[in-house]
Amino acid sequence: EIVLTQSPGTLSLSPGQRATLSCRASQSVRNNYLAWYQQKPGQAPRLFIYGYDTFNRAPGIPDRFSGSGSGTDFTLTISRLEPEDFAVYYCQQYGSSPQTFGLGTKVEIK
Amino acid sequence: EVQLIESGGGLVQPGGSLRLSCAASGFSFSDFWMHWVRQAPGKGLVWVSAIYNDGTRTNYADSVRGRFTVSRDNAKNTVYLQMSSLRAEDTAVYFCASPPSTSVADPFFFWGQGTVVTVSS
Repeated sequence: EIVLTQSPGTLSLSPGQRATLSCRASQSVRNNYLAWYQQKPGQAPRLFIYGYDTFNRAPGIPDRFSGSGSGTDFTLTISRLEPEDFAVYYCQQYGSSPQTFGLGTKVEIK
Repeated sequence: EVQLIESGGGLVQPGGSLRLSCAASGFSFSDFWMHWVRQAPGKGLVWVSAIYNDGTRTNYADSVRGRFTVSRDNAKNTVYLQMSSLRAEDTAVYFCASPPSTSVADPFFFWGQGTVVTVSS
């Protein structure tokens, strides 16, 4: 199965700063079938970014969120952090069975 | 409005069984794959199982294959996860999720709120 390694484990930033989250796959992810989810404590994950060759924002997701990458290296960028963006972010690959998730990156307020 | 509502979680002894349910509304449930994902306390997300729209295809993670069975009742818009021979490491919040898509290779746009399963003596 494809192992996804997310880094850093924790990102300490201030509102207004830029956040760059990394997701590295142990094998190439077919067709960039890679997604990013946000999860807040006690809540279900929420889909933010998904890839079908190119990366797309899920409905209702603001344009300060963007996804990029290909092959084995992927990035979630939050251009200017808002207070509601502080949460845990998971990447997921759905191009190979079994689907797998990374262990998450926590974006916390500095 | 799309809703996925899980139920059936609880405390069960090691070796015991439990059946989870996920009731769906607000989308064409019978057309799409349905998945189960779990999250152990303080840990990340782990995909568990999936079932095709008509129930003819099912997939399982290696960690649960042979112990868990996924099924669905399209007349009731409900997907089930029958869990047996439960172990302490099965303790988690169990989420149902849907692409919604006829392809198994799609992200999860819809999620339920989760149901808690605790395996302990």
